[in-house]
Amino acid sequence: AQTVTQSQPEMSVQEAETVTLSCTYDTSENNYYLFWYKQPPSRQMILVIRQEAYKQQNATENRFSVNFQKAAKSFSLKISDSQLGDTAMYFCAFMKQVGKTGANNLFFGTGTRLTVIP
Amino acid sequence: SAVISQKPSRDICQRGTSLTIQCQVDSQVTMMFWYRQQPGQSLTLIATANQGSEATYESGFVIDKFPISRPNLTFSTLTVSNMSPEDSSIYLCSVEWMDTEAFFGQGTRLTVV
Repeated sequence: AQTVTQSQPEMSVQEAETVTLSCTYDTSENNYYLFWYKQPPSRQMILVIRQEAYKQQNATENRFSVNFQKAAKSFSLKISDSQLGDTAMYFCAFMKQVGKTGANNLFFGTGTRLTVIP
Repeated sequence: SAVISQKPSRDICQRGTSLTIQCQVDSQVTMMFWYRQQPGQSLTLIATANQGSEATYESGFVIDKFPISRPNLTFSTLTVSNMSPEDSSIYLCSVEWMDTEAFFGQGTRLTVV
């Protein structure tokens, strides 16, 4: 079974500073995908960044980057130059790569509530 | 990417009644998923809906309580039946995209009184 653990229920960061959100996961799969989703108060789940397990290079998207350590099963999210609009719940998620005949399921962590302080 | 429209965005319902949530996608997709997010909690998968077949329910969820329809490749509904206050949650639909990621609707905030 896949499990995703986010050990930081809440975090805060000063505007323009950098913050890192932690995520670990457990799986016996070799091919899979990892995601960070952002959920602001509007409830919309927004994909922030995506990492393929077979890629050694860490994914980056503008101010967002990840530190993917496959052997350690760790997948942290770094937000640089934090902005007020980054205030949201952040969910780490794991997707196992299932064949065409199966459903790809997302397994979510419990979330980290990030507050950016002006 | 896929754009998903989910309706209603919120509703307040009397216990014992039913609510049907609709999810419309702007592209044809094979798999659609329905999640429940209880207050302050993470997302829990309710069921997977594949067009042309019955939905597959996760442990703890049953078809009589959460009937799902998937009449075509762009649309699905989830009904929350015989509601009780414990059903108060956010319900989200999601689609699988290119076998490698998922996109979500805006969510439906349900309050049962």
